[in-house]
Amino acid sequence: AQKITQTQPGMFVQEKEAVTLDCTYDTSDQSYGLFWYKQPSSGEMIFLIYQGSYDEQNATEGRYSLNFQKARKSANLVISASQLGDSAMYFCAMRELGGTSYGKLTFGQGTILTVHP
Amino acid sequence: KAGVTQTPRYLIKTRGQQVTLSCSPISGHRSVSWYQQTPGQGLQFLFEYFSETQRNKGNFPGRFSGRQFSNSRSEMNVSTLELGDSALYLCASVSGGANTGELFFGEGSRLTVL
Repeated sequence: AQKITQTQPGMFVQEKEAVTLDCTYDTSDQSYGLFWYKQPSSGEMIFLIYQGSYDEQNATEGRYSLNFQKARKSANLVISASQLGDSAMYFCAMRELGGTSYGKLTFGQGTILTVHP
Repeated sequence: KAGVTQTPRYLIKTRGQQVTLSCSPISGHRSVSWYQQTPGQGLQFLFEYFSETQRNKGNFPGRFSGRQFSNSRSEMNVSTLELGDSALYLCASVSGGANTGELFFGEGSRLTVL
C-alpha cells in the first residue's frame, strides 16, 4: 500500500520569498511517480510538477522545483519567489507506474500555504 | 482545448435520496477517475474507468457506483444518501501511458446532504 505524509498543516511565507512544503512517502512499488497539486478555494486541482522514481534529476517547472531524495523517501516542493496568488492548499500525491491504473493517486492530507504581502 | 467539465457544480439533497454526477473528460482522454474530498478523510479514490470498463475501485460501499460511456464521459451515482456523503466530488482524466501524464481535474461537484 502507498502512503503520503504531509506534516505541515499550514505554512506562512512573505511575498517574494521561497518556501518548502514537505512530503514523505511510503511504498513497496519499485516504480512510481510523485505529483504536486495546488487547490485554490475554487476547488479545482491544478497540476504543478511531476517526478518519476527513476528520474535522476530533480524536476523543475518555472518557480516550482521538486527536491527528490529517494533514499529518504521525500519529495518536497520548493516554491521560489512566492506570489500572493500562491495562497492555496497544496497536495502531494503518488501513483504506481507500470500497471494499468493510470488514474489512481494516493494523496497526502495537504498543506495550506498563506502568502503575506 | 477544453478542460474537464463536471456538472452540476453544486447540489443539495436530503438523506435517502440518490444523486448522479457527470464528468466530461478532456477530448481524447480515455481514462476517468473519481475522488471524494472531505475535511476529515481528505482526498480518497473512488474508482477509475477506462474504455467503458471499471479498472480500479477504492474502498467505498456499494452505494457508490459509476459508469463510462463510449464517448468517455462518465457518471457516478450515490444511492441512499447519508449525511457523511457531503463532500466535493472531483473527476480527473488522463490520456494514458503509465509513465507519463498528469491527471487533469475538473472543478468538482459540491454535494450537501441534509
